[in-house]
Amino acid sequence: DTAVSQTPKYLVTQMGNDKSIKCEQNLGHDTMYWYKQDSKKFLKIMFSYNNKELIINETVPNRFSPKSPDKAHLNLHINSLELGDSAVYFCASSHTIREQYFGPGTRLTVT
Amino acid sequence: GENVEQHPSTLSVQEGDSAVIKCTYSDSASNYFPWYKQELGKGPQLIIDIRSNVGEKKDQRIAVTLNKTAKHFSLHITETQPEDSAVYFCAAQAGSARQLTFGSGTQLTVLP
Repeated sequence: DTAVSQTPKYLVTQMGNDKSIKCEQNLGHDTMYWYKQDSKKFLKIMFSYNNKELIINETVPNRFSPKSPDKAHLNLHINSLELGDSAVYFCASSHTIREQYFGPGTRLTVT
Repeated sequence: GENVEQHPSTLSVQEGDSAVIKCTYSDSASNYFPWYKQELGKGPQLIIDIRSNVGEKKDQRIAVTLNKTAKHFSLHITETQPEDSAVYFCAAQAGSARQLTFGSGTQLTVLP
């Protein structure tokens, strides 16, 4: 029943590890996004995919790599995790750029 | 690119009072302005939006106004209730842009 879902909800890991966050939407949308929300609540877009094609790739370290196996899924893989990667990561989807629907977020803590 | 500024960063009101949050944008080509509400531990949720061909839009206790000349837009919440307590984000999108630019957020606290 959930529109945009993310797993896991919490992720605690050590520096240097590689981790993935998964996102799925059942709204039939053709565009999906990854956002990063820092400790001050600032929301910043990282990536956007439209019909499995990367259309936005903001200034993000290349340790972050999105993967879209199909229109309903957009996963985020992070290599060599650093302390500064600790944040809440949100997946979102939309039919157009407007009216974006957000997932519940994944709180990543790097120790 | 677009730059969106949001004020205030924190706002406390008594239950039943009104709350106003203001945003300014820099790109005169921006034509879509949504507002999102983020409750603790949840993702942002779209609560109202306005397009540049409209000056005001209302939905029950919430309303948004847009002044294209001054390049600012505001969220108005009347008869506030404790469940209105959350972080509110404004955003803007230029017609050709492929992304929303978000403001820095306002923590609204409604005091019982």
